[in-house]
Amino acid sequence: DAGITQSPRYKITETGRQVTLMCHQTWSHSYMFWYRQDLGHGLRLIYYSAAADITDKGEVPDGYVVSRSKTENFPLTLESATRSQTSVYFCASGGSGSWGDTQYFGPGTRLTVL
Amino acid sequence: ILNVEQSPQSLHVQEGDSTNFTCSFPSSNFYALHWYRWETAKSPEALFVMTLNGDEKKKGRISATLNTKEGYSYLYIKGSQPEDSATYLCASPASGYSTLTFGKGTMLLVSP
Repeated sequence: DAGITQSPRYKITETGRQVTLMCHQTWSHSYMFWYRQDLGHGLRLIYYSAAADITDKGEVPDGYVVSRSKTENFPLTLESATRSQTSVYFCASGGSGSWGDTQYFGPGTRLTVL
Repeated sequence: ILNVEQSPQSLHVQEGDSTNFTCSFPSSNFYALHWYRWETAKSPEALFVMTLNGDEKKKGRISATLNTKEGYSYLYIKGSQPEDSATYLCASPASGYSTLTFGKGTMLLVSP
């Protein structure tokens, strides 16, 4: 099915563990994004990618690593999870880089770090 | 970082009421203004993209206007229905690229 998917949908982990959140889109959009949603902060951009092998930091990149070896996949890794990284994570994809491009969001991953 | 602000933070109306809320953004170096609708337990979905001063967009009972000179956009919902209950987000690109800065949203609750 066409669209954008995220896995897992729910994840509980412990402080210090490495966690990878997966994102896959079938639209061949050039741009992909990772956001986190926290009460009182709304959606904040963690990292984004303009194309395969091109990534850049967003507003809150510390503690996260991304890669993009294929256009359709954009995994987000928490190298050593902390409690402050408990959040809902949304992946999005969108177009070719124009300021008018709509972003299409995945269903989200709810991550709890104990 | 671009400062995008939305007001009110939340709104509770009765079915049939019309309502509106505001998104404010810096008027200098304006590129576009996006509106998204975000229902609970779902993901944000695009409503409108607006680029020109004076733009007005409409989708069913929802419409939006844009004033780039003074840096605000209004979202209107005519005859609110319970299914309109959602958080409405606005967002703007900080530069001429695809990264968007989102406001914190206006949470709308429509009671039957």
